[in-house]
Amino acid sequence: DIVMTQTPLSLSVTPGQPASISCKSSRSLLHSDGKTYLYWYLQKAGQSPQLLIYEASNRFSGVPDRFSASGSGTDFTLKISRVEAEDVGLYYCMHSLKVPPTFGGGTKMEIK
Amino acid sequence: QMQLVQSGAEVKKPGASVKVSCKADGDIFTGYYIHWVRQAPGQGFEWMGWINPDGNGPKYAQKFQGRVTMTRDTSISTAYMELSSLISDDTAVYYCASNWSSGHWGQGTLVTVSS
Repeated sequence: DIVMTQTPLSLSVTPGQPASISCKSSRSLLHSDGKTYLYWYLQKAGQSPQLLIYEASNRFSGVPDRFSASGSGTDFTLKISRVEAEDVGLYYCMHSLKVPPTFGGGTKMEIK
Repeated sequence: QMQLVQSGAEVKKPGASVKVSCKADGDIFTGYYIHWVRQAPGQGFEWMGWINPDGNGPKYAQKFQGRVTMTRDTSISTAYMELSSLISDDTAVYYCASNWSSGHWGQGTLVTVSS
């Protein structure tokens, strides 16, 4: 199985400041079809995960443009340009390159 | 826009089975894979398997082989996940989700296994 490793485990950010989360996979997530099957989710307390980014760098419909993502191969980054109070929660990366899809351990974001 | 609505919370005794349903709100259910993912209390996510659009050839995670059954009834736009021989470690919130890039997840179903 592909292992997804997220860092940091937690971060505390002042509103208006940027934040960054790293996700590393144990093998390249580039498929032969040219797509990179890496996703970013935010899970707010008591809720289902909400999709932020699909295929490594595509912002999902309705996601604020302060969220962006980049990366290729095995190294990926989610960035929030200016953190807002509503961004608190657990952030997860996930791959779907092959079965089984696996998730990172999560990064807990808090607001200072 | 398609939404996924799951059945309510369940409390089961060890050794019992649980069947969770996931109903799609919308008429595009037939074109979507349905994945099942669980999240134990305070833990991360664990993929359990998927069932493809025509209902044939479900694929299960090795860990759950022999204990999980995934089905779907296209006529009522509903998918099902049944887990048998429950143990306390199966206590978790169970989610259904459609094609990953669609962003559609159910609201989750808490299954509690306790004697």
